[in-house]
Amino acid sequence: GAVVSQHPSWVICKSGTSVKIECRSLDFQATTMFWYRQFPKQSLMLMATSNEGSKATYEQGVEKDKFLINHASLTLSTLTVTSAHPEDSSFYICSASYPGRKETQYFGPGTRLLVL
Amino acid sequence: AQSVTQPDIHITVSEGASLELRCNYSYGATPYLFWYVQSPGQGLQLLLKYFSGDTLVQGIKGFEAEFKRSQSSFNLRKPSVHWSDAAEYFCAVVRGATNKLIFGTGTLLAVQP
Repeated sequence: GAVVSQHPSWVICKSGTSVKIECRSLDFQATTMFWYRQFPKQSLMLMATSNEGSKATYEQGVEKDKFLINHASLTLSTLTVTSAHPEDSSFYICSASYPGRKETQYFGPGTRLLVL
Repeated sequence: AQSVTQPDIHITVSEGASLELRCNYSYGATPYLFWYVQSPGQGLQLLLKYFSGDTLVQGIKGFEAEFKRSQSSFNLRKPSVHWSDAAEYFCAVVRGATNKLIFGTGTLLAVQP
């Protein structure tokens, strides 16, 4: 149980385009999902908390208009990197937690984004 | 503010040897503590967690961790390391009622044959 998937696993795009990353909880309903960013050889940095049916909560320093988050259903959250630039290249990881057991997060396999 | 420290950036052990990865936390109340493992290019897998009760917790893949309140530590151990254990290990603590995870900087484990 507690399987989280991400799609795509990797993506290459041109500078100025937008990229959408999907995060799905496959065998449970997740009222809360989290989006992280990880730079090479560094730890995970929380970008935002995604709550089903409401606006995402962004961490300080994360541009809301740059990283659009939508949590339209209990099993799907999406992160859209708008007008991507090379500095947005990174490893993006999502996680999800069970309703009522929100302290434990289960992570997806990550999406590697390369912006040329 | 809550924080997690993993003093060892990189550790190399021989296959079959014992392993201990250190983790110290700074948190006022009883913390929720986690150890995750990340293989190259992959997401994070939960190894074990501590919320309350028995301070020695067992996890997957033969790992265990001990919560020591007096030392503010939650060290991860394994009695005999396998080559497949080579990965990066992250200690984390949940930040209050927000359920946000605060991660340590990670320890990269290399296993020598």
